[in-house]
Amino acid sequence: GAGVSQSPRYKVAKRGQDVALRCDPISGHVSLFWYQQALGQGPEFLTYFQNEAQLDKSGLPSDRFFAERPEGSVSTLKIQRTQQEDSAVYLCASSLAGTLGNQPQHFGDGTRLSIL
Amino acid sequence: AQTVTQSQPEMSVQEAETVTLSCTYDTSESDYYLFWYKQPPSRQMILVIRQEAYKQQNATENRFSVNFQKAAKSFSLKISDSQLGDAAMYFCAYNVDSNYQLIWGAGTKLIIKP
Repeated sequence: GAGVSQSPRYKVAKRGQDVALRCDPISGHVSLFWYQQALGQGPEFLTYFQNEAQLDKSGLPSDRFFAERPEGSVSTLKIQRTQQEDSAVYLCASSLAGTLGNQPQHFGDGTRLSIL
Repeated sequence: AQTVTQSQPEMSVQEAETVTLSCTYDTSESDYYLFWYKQPPSRQMILVIRQEAYKQQNATENRFSVNFQKAAKSFSLKISDSQLGDAAMYFCAYNVDSNYQLIWGAGTKLIIKP
């Protein structure tokens, strides 16, 4: 079956613009995660959804970052008034699990966001 | 604080040889899961191998195996018969049984010399 799909693959935006990044998880996966990966670093957790409920948004760096998953499937990460420090790869992952850690997460190809 | 340390920013190995990537972690939990992920230039994070902390037997997946030392909190990855397609960033990560959040290391860049 299809894996996790993210779009766009690359996004270039001017500082101050709003951007929206899409994630289509594996069908039937309950859990969905967003990560931010700076160049040369490991991913850092942003937020977590179980179905349509956003159970944890503790990793979102500021109130300019907003994520939603209204129907418990596709998710969108929105960044308002982008800043240069927002430049990173944004990874989406999904898993079968609920809140337990015993299921592996499956990742998409990521969106590389560059803020000019 | 929960942390993962990968002390080798970069490793290189001759094709067909064996290489070991190191990883140490710090947690006070007793039940947790350890992972090695591979991230090639295409960026997709691919699960290589997974280990449950309660299992004493080291996990193996074809050419990939781990050396899990629970008391030492060490989780190294051994790649046998290295192939050109193994070239990638390798990340060690873990999460505890009661929490979905993955804690990641900074990664090791693996270079395969033909």
